[in-house]
Order: sequence, then C-alpha cells, then structure tokens
Amino acid sequence: EAGVAQSPRYKIIEKRQSVAFWCNPISGHATLYWYQQILGQGPKLLIQFQNNGVVDDSQLPKDRFSAERLKGVDSTLKIQPAKLEDSAVYLCASSTRGLGANVLTFGAGSRLTVL
Amino acid sequence: DQQVKQNSPSLSVQEGRISILNCDYTNSMFDYFLWYKKYPAEGPTFLISISSIKDKNEDGRFTVFLNKSAKHLSLHIVPSQPGDSAVYFCAASRTSGSRLTFGEGTQLTVNP
Repeated sequence: EAGVAQSPRYKIIEKRQSVAFWCNPISGHATLYWYQQILGQGPKLLIQFQNNGVVDDSQLPKDRFSAERLKGVDSTLKIQPAKLEDSAVYLCASSTRGLGANVLTFGAGSRLTVL
Repeated sequence: DQQVKQNSPSLSVQEGRISILNCDYTNSMFDYFLWYKKYPAEGPTFLISISSIKDKNEDGRFTVFLNKSAKHLSLHIVPSQPGDSAVYFCAASRTSGSRLTFGEGTQLTVNP
C-alpha cells in the first residue's frame, strides 16, 4: 500500500511570507493529523481531522495557521505570516478509526526554514 | 507542561547487548502507550504499543514494560543491532483514537 505523501519536502522562506504544505493520506484512512516537530523536541499535534471535519485543533495557532481537508481526502496546512519560530518539520499522518491502539502512519515530513 | 518525558537524549550500546529506553508520564488519564522509531529524513514509524490493562507486551526483539503506579514505561531491545540506530519516541493517549502526546525522543546508537 502506498504511504502518506507530503510535499514539498523542503521549503525556505523569509519571515512574514506565507507557505503551504500538502498531504495525501493512505487510501481509506478517515483520520488525518498534522504535527509540528521542532528540532530536539517530539512531534506536537496541530490539528486532527475525521473525514473532512475537525476533531481537535486546540494547539493550532489560529492567528497564523490554517488547515483544510476538502472532500475528506487530501489536506493542506498554511502558515501566513510565518515567524522564525515556525521553523520545524511538519508531519502529516493518517490512521483508520477502530478499536485498539491508535497507530498513526506518518509521511516523511516537510521541513520549513524561516529566515 | 511536558506530560511525556524521555530524560535521556541519547543512548549508546554495543551490538548484541540490551538497549533500554525509558519514558515517564504525568497524566494519569493516559491509557495507551506507543513507541515510534524515526530514521533521519523519514517520518516516525510505529514499533510497539501497550494498553494500560497490561504490564508487558512483546514483539520479537522488542518488549515494552508499563509500571502504572510509577507512571513509567520502558522499551527493551534484545539483542540490539546496528540497524536499530534511530531516534525513539514514546507517545501516550487518553483513549484509542485520541491525540498522541510525544516525548522528546532518545537517540539510540548501536555500535558494531
């Protein structure tokens, strides 16, 4: 089965510019997540979608970050305007909803550098 | 508030020996715990999990132990292999399907 696809893999922008990341989850996975991983830290959940509805966005900085998942498949994460502290790897993950451990499958990530 | 902590940023072991990675949590509501492994330039991959109704789960060379009273879990890798060299993340959730909270990670290096 194909994995979680993300693009771009790398992006360098200046502060106050905008950036968008794209994610295509594993086919059939209803739940999609965006995580932010700052260097030296563990991944932190930004937003969780169930199909095309938001389940948890409590840690999303809504003044500058936005995310959408149209038609319950692909998702985009946007940052506008970017700040220096947004430099991080943005990880997309997906999972099926069911009993048992919540096993997420991650993409390779999109590394953002804000100068 | 760091609810999941991995106090050792790095660990180095010899090939064939045991690797023990530790994780502590503070939120008593957590009832699912997972370990992920991450290689450079790749996303984390699921390794093994344990529910709070168990105190041990084993999968091949990997065993996870859970001590609920101490709010502590550990991952044992026996025998360690050079291919196990990676960053290991501990993660916890309140119920299956809910948000995963990750620790900071431990860089494991297995020397040939």
